Amino acid sequence: DVKVTQSSRYLVKRTGEKVFLECVQDMDHENMFWYRQDPGLGLRLIYFSYDVKMKEKGDIPEGYSVSREKKERFSLILESASTNQTSMYLCASSSTRAGSNQPQHFGDGTRLSIL
Amino acid sequence: KQEVTQIPAALSVPEGENLVLNCSFTDSAIYNLQWFRQDPGKGLTSLLLIQSSQREQTSGRLNASLDKSSGRSTLYIAASQPGDSATYLCAAGSGNTGKLIFGQGTTLQVKP
Repeated sequence: DVKVTQSSRYLVKRTGEKVFLECVQDMDHENMFWYRQDPGLGLRLIYFSYDVKMKEKGDIPEGYSVSREKKERFSLILESASTNQTSMYLCASSSTRAGSNQPQHFGDGTRLSIL
Repeated sequence: KQEVTQIPAALSVPEGENLVLNCSFTDSAIYNLQWFRQDPGKGLTSLLLIQSSQREQTSGRLNASLDKSSGRSTLYIAASQPGDSATYLCAAGSGNTGKLIFGQGTTLQVKP
C-alpha cells in the first residue's frame, strides 16, 4: 500500500515564524501536491511538483514556497506565518504510468494553527 | 477555468438504501475523474478513478460513471451501511501532471 506521511498531525506556531511542513511518500511517485482545506472553500492546490527540483504554482501560492530535493520528499514552507494561514494542510502523491494518471494518495493532514 | 460542483451538500438516508451522488464539471476536456472519501479530521482515500476514455469503474458496492459530453459523473453506492457515512469528493483531472480540481463534497449520513 502507498503510504504518504506528514510530519505532524497538529502544529501551533506564532505569526511571523517560518514554518516547515514535511511530506514523504514511499512509492517512488513522480508527482507530489500540497493542498489546504478550509470549511466552505474545499480543497485548494497550493503547489505541486512533477519531478525532483521541479515545482509549479497552484491556485493559491501566495505566502508559500516549496522544496523538492529528493523524489520522496516534498516540503511546504510558510515564509512568514500569518493567522489567515491557519488551516488543514494535505499532502498527496501520484504516479503517471503509460501516459495516464494514477489515483492521488493523501496523507492524514496537518492541522496548523497560527496564533 | 474548470469548475466542479457537487449537489447536494449533505444527504441522509436509512441503512440499506441505494443512493447516487452527483458531480458536474464545466470543461469536458478532462484527463480523468476521481472519487474520494474523507472521514472527519482525516485525509482523503481514493475510491475510484475513471480515465477520460472510460465510461465507468466498479469496486465492490461502488460504481462510478462518467459522461464527458454532459459534464457529469455519478457515484452509485449499493446497499448503504452506517460505515459509509463520510464526505465524498469528486475531482476532475487536468493535464498529465496529475493536477486535480475538487468539488466541495457531499456529506453522507447513513442511519442504522
